[in-house]
Amino acid sequence: TQLLEQSPQFLSIQEGENLTVYCNSSSVFSSLQWYRQEPGEGPVLLVTVVTGGEVKKLKRLTFQFGDARKDSSLHITAAQPGDTGLYLCAGAGETSGSRLTFGEGTQLTVNP
Amino acid sequence: NAGVTQTPKFQVLKTGQSMTLQCAQDMNHNSMYWYRQDPGMGLRLIYYSASEGTTDKGEVPNGYNVSRLNKREFSLRLESAAPSQTSVYFCASTVGTGGWYEQYFGPGTRLTVT
Repeated sequence: TQLLEQSPQFLSIQEGENLTVYCNSSSVFSSLQWYRQEPGEGPVLLVTVVTGGEVKKLKRLTFQFGDARKDSSLHITAAQPGDTGLYLCAGAGETSGSRLTFGEGTQLTVNP
Repeated sequence: NAGVTQTPKFQVLKTGQSMTLQCAQDMNHNSMYWYRQDPGMGLRLIYYSASEGTTDKGEVPNGYNVSRLNKREFSLRLESAAPSQTSVYFCASTVGTGGWYEQYFGPGTRLTVT
């Protein structure tokens, strides 16, 4: 069974601060996705990383896939209240086809 | 292009009642999924359909059945609802191949079983 562990589980920061969320596993993933979920809505895809060591930027969000494709991180620069939400990582296993493994999520609150 | 749609958005059932949650996608995706989301437990896979005509159990299939009606539609049925099935249910569809996959989610159905 593949597991993805996210840390921290909860994060409350002030507007303007930087933060990093981690997603770790002992398993290798073919690709890894990050989603953001706002209250009362479904998760929305932010990014997919495929290559070990890959770094992708989406405005103030930077996503990195580990060299060994077992872990990933999400870094937010100068967080804003609009960044508040549940951040989920999900991985596609090398033998699991399109079935994704989800982490339990990081609940981020950015206070004005 | 509506993406993934789910009905109903809210539902209250009494223990023992049955109901079907409907899901449809207009993105021509082959794979579709049903998850439940409970506080502190993330998304747990109930059932999935890798392609039209096939369905498979996920992590928590007990108490549920599914039907992949056609490529667009994937329904989830609770035959005899129990309070433990109170949850938020999400349907998703997936695009991708060769290890690269992306899932697109519906808005969810909030189910309460009393």
